[in-house]
Amino acid sequence: QVQLVESGGGVVQPGRSLRLSCAASGFTFSDYPMHWVRQAPGKGLEWVAVISFDENTRFYADSVKGRLTISRDNPKNTLYLQMDSLTSDDTAIYYCARALSGSFGPDAFDIWGQGTMVTVSS
Amino acid sequence: EIVLTQSPGTLSLSPGEGATLSCRASQSVSSDYLAWYQQNPGQPPRLLIFGATSRATGIPDRFSGRGSGTDFTLTINRLEPEDFVVYYCQQYGSSPVTFGQGTKVEIK
Repeated sequence: QVQLVESGGGVVQPGRSLRLSCAASGFTFSDYPMHWVRQAPGKGLEWVAVISFDENTRFYADSVKGRLTISRDNPKNTLYLQMDSLTSDDTAIYYCARALSGSFGPDAFDIWGQGTMVTVSS
Repeated sequence: EIVLTQSPGTLSLSPGEGATLSCRASQSVSSDYLAWYQQNPGQPPRLLIFGATSRATGIPDRFSGRGSGTDFTLTINRLEPEDFVVYYCQQYGSSPVTFGQGTKVEIK
């Protein structure tokens, strides 16, 4: 079945780095733009970043620009989020999500992973 | 960016009743690109409605969406026990996509 499985979360000190992964299965990963969306504990949803199907184009939320980097490895069916210079504001569950329309740009999200928790704390 | 305001924050209803959730945008949502999600505790969001009115695959027809421009509603007919969770609206007509703060539907 269509599935996204995130990994790589954990507890990290402020200023340190972390890399999240999202393994896709059950669909042609290379056909879809992919997104990261996060949710701070007890809070709402915040879009983080998007990458085109061919990795040529990426957009970021202003709150993470310059610190978080989205990438993908299509032969491995895997999406990544490199997180540098982390702050307590980055503490959240990070979800990878598939673009509904298959087109690059703003989109709804039809498939979500279960999420991976990132806690930034000293 | 477009700010989405959901109301009410909490809706207290009984099973079998109907629910109407509101989502108001700070500016017109292009092409009515408005989605609704349901989120159970500890679970990721689930897409219910896209394009303001289209139900996603597998979503029961007791869920319906309507609206255009800046005002949108999600209606849930005949609430089932599993419907008492949190709902979010999202606009994807312009970048960045944004979400409302959520409406919790609780058992009265």
